[in-house]
Amino acid sequence: DAMVIQNPRYQVTQFGKPVTLSCSQTLNHNVMYWYQQKSSQAPKLLFHYYDKDFNNEADTPDNFQSRRPNTSFCFLDIRSPGLGDAAMYLCATRSGQGTYEQYFGPGTRLTVT
Amino acid sequence: KQEVTQIPAALSVPEGENLVLNCSFTDSAIYNLQWFRQDPGKGLTSLLLIQSSQREQTSGRLNASLDKSSGRSTLYIAASQPGDSATYLCAVHHYGQNFVFGPGTRLSVLP
Repeated sequence: DAMVIQNPRYQVTQFGKPVTLSCSQTLNHNVMYWYQQKSSQAPKLLFHYYDKDFNNEADTPDNFQSRRPNTSFCFLDIRSPGLGDAAMYLCATRSGQGTYEQYFGPGTRLTVT
Repeated sequence: KQEVTQIPAALSVPEGENLVLNCSFTDSAIYNLQWFRQDPGKGLTSLLLIQSSQREQTSGRLNASLDKSSGRSTLYIAASQPGDSATYLCAVHHYGQNFVFGPGTRLSVLP
């Protein structure tokens, strides 16, 4: 009964080589989030969608882009990964009504060589 | 700007002990507060969600309380087990805004 699915679970890319991470959900939630989490730190919000409305955090680098082609899918594109972008990337969803409980996927561990 | 802190940063207890993890926030006008568990290298698993109108929520051996006026929430774990070893994070939510996470408490339960 996977609800928030992230692929791949582990991604290795070379410095400067574009990479795309994907997230899908079976919950039909309006809101989808992308977080970056580095070791022993709290998750840091990169951006989120409310339906198709895109909201970028002020300090999210331009190197990070996102696409949400439909309700179920959301993608994180890193155009030119640097060594500092190595991290766990977490996708989360919540409904636009009700309790506003967040549901997280298992994460994608990105390594940059 | 909302700030969330969690004390202690790390905790080690023997199996069977009851323990309390703390979460403090500076802006008490929250909509809800959510506690999560994170195992090493994994995503976050939701444990409990407390709405601003509630004082506590319980799930099995876990009990979370909320005191909005003092800007505090506690997560009580009864009869701890080695399988409870993980990092526990709290996140606060203001209506119409995004979640703000605390840095987490790393818990080790020793057999």
